[in-house]
Amino acid sequence: GENVEQHPSTLSVQEGDSAVIKCTYSDSASNYFPWYKQELGKRPQLIIDIRSNVGEKKDQRIAVTLNKTAKHFSLHITETQPEDSAVYFCAASILDNNNDMRFGAGTRLTVKP
Amino acid sequence: SAVISQKPSRDICQRGTSLTIQCQVDSQVTMMFWYRQQPGQSLTLIATANQGSEATYESGFVIDKFPISRPNLTFSTLTVSNMSPEDSSIYLCSVGQGADQPQHFGDGTRLSIL
Repeated sequence: GENVEQHPSTLSVQEGDSAVIKCTYSDSASNYFPWYKQELGKRPQLIIDIRSNVGEKKDQRIAVTLNKTAKHFSLHITETQPEDSAVYFCAASILDNNNDMRFGAGTRLTVKP
Repeated sequence: SAVISQKPSRDICQRGTSLTIQCQVDSQVTMMFWYRQQPGQSLTLIATANQGSEATYESGFVIDKFPISRPNLTFSTLTVSNMSPEDSSIYLCSVGQGADQPQHFGDGTRLSIL
């Protein structure tokens, strides 16, 4: 089955700096890669996703890149703000009838004001 | 996206008892899933709730411990049976609208077993 590895486990940046979180996956059949943000005590919320037919996707300060050959994808947050502080999870799934999703271990991002 | 209501939001239970968690969606959804999130950990898929048939369980999870129902396209329940302190966790339901759509999560049920 799919195995997703995520690095780093913790990341601390100064406000205004960029943050990068990286994930690798094992199953070459995976073709959908969402990113979730989970604030303390809250539900995981989808912040951006990318499908395998695209190499990069941007939404304001957030971007995701995908390298299918190397089986890795990354989340980039620019101009970080204190409200970006949260745990971020990457995930990978195969978009078939099951839509099973496997999550990375998570990255705790702290943005210092 | 769909509005997902999960209840109870939290509970404290005695060991050996069972608790049923409900997940209600405000629109019909193709897929419903149940996850466990242990303190400070990632999300682990327990099972896919199949409408009108038995749930599909992941390795390490069995129907006797985590029976699941899904009577229609908007509702599912997860029961945590014969609870022990190791079952203390957050249990989350998620929904997906199909093969090319993301999953969205409910607020979760924080369960503590004494």
